[in-house]
Amino acid sequence: KQEVTQIPAALSVPEGENLVLNCSFTDSAIYNLQWFRQDPGKGLTSLLLIQSSQREQTSGRLNASLDKSSGRSTLYIAASQPGDSATYLCAVTTNAGKSTFGDGTTLTVKP
Amino acid sequence: NAGVTQTPKFRVLKTGQSMTLLCAQDMNHEYMYWYRQDPGMGLRLIHYSVGEGTTAKGEVPDGYNVSRLKKQNFLLGLESAAPSQTSVYFCASKRTGMNTEAFFGQGTRLTVV
Repeated sequence: KQEVTQIPAALSVPEGENLVLNCSFTDSAIYNLQWFRQDPGKGLTSLLLIQSSQREQTSGRLNASLDKSSGRSTLYIAASQPGDSATYLCAVTTNAGKSTFGDGTTLTVKP
Repeated sequence: NAGVTQTPKFRVLKTGQSMTLLCAQDMNHEYMYWYRQDPGMGLRLIHYSVGEGTTAKGEVPDGYNVSRLKKQNFLLGLESAAPSQTSVYFCASKRTGMNTEAFFGQGTRLTVV
């Protein structure tokens, strides 16, 4: 059974700092990995999707990497801003089309 | 362009009552999903649909039923609500294909007392 773990559960950083969020998964037979952002009381917004054949994806200040063999992905946020405060979730999708979500990392960026 | 819309946003039910949650998407997506989100358990798939008229069970289907009579709508029914069904419910949709992004609704916060 696929298990997805995100550590730490919460992270607080000062504005302007670069930071890395971690996602690990137990079964490396994945089709893709997706990073989401969730604001309090809201739904999930897709940030980046990395296909299993890719090593990384970039969007603005966000860069996500994928190391399938080690079962890890990282989400790098450059020059963090208070508006980046949210919960970040990763989800892996297997070749069977099933998606498993992590519990998320709650990020607080202090002005 | 509304995307994925869930109705209602909040609801309080008494144990044993029934209700239907509505999910509507205007993106012509084939795939639609119902998840529940609980602290410490991530999002868990309840039921899903790969097209109009088709439904399938997910990870935690017991106590729920679904219908996809129209491509744009995916309904989630609770037959006899239980306190264990207190949760935040999310609907999602995506285009056909494995490497397509999922779009989520704003969620329905359900409390069963």
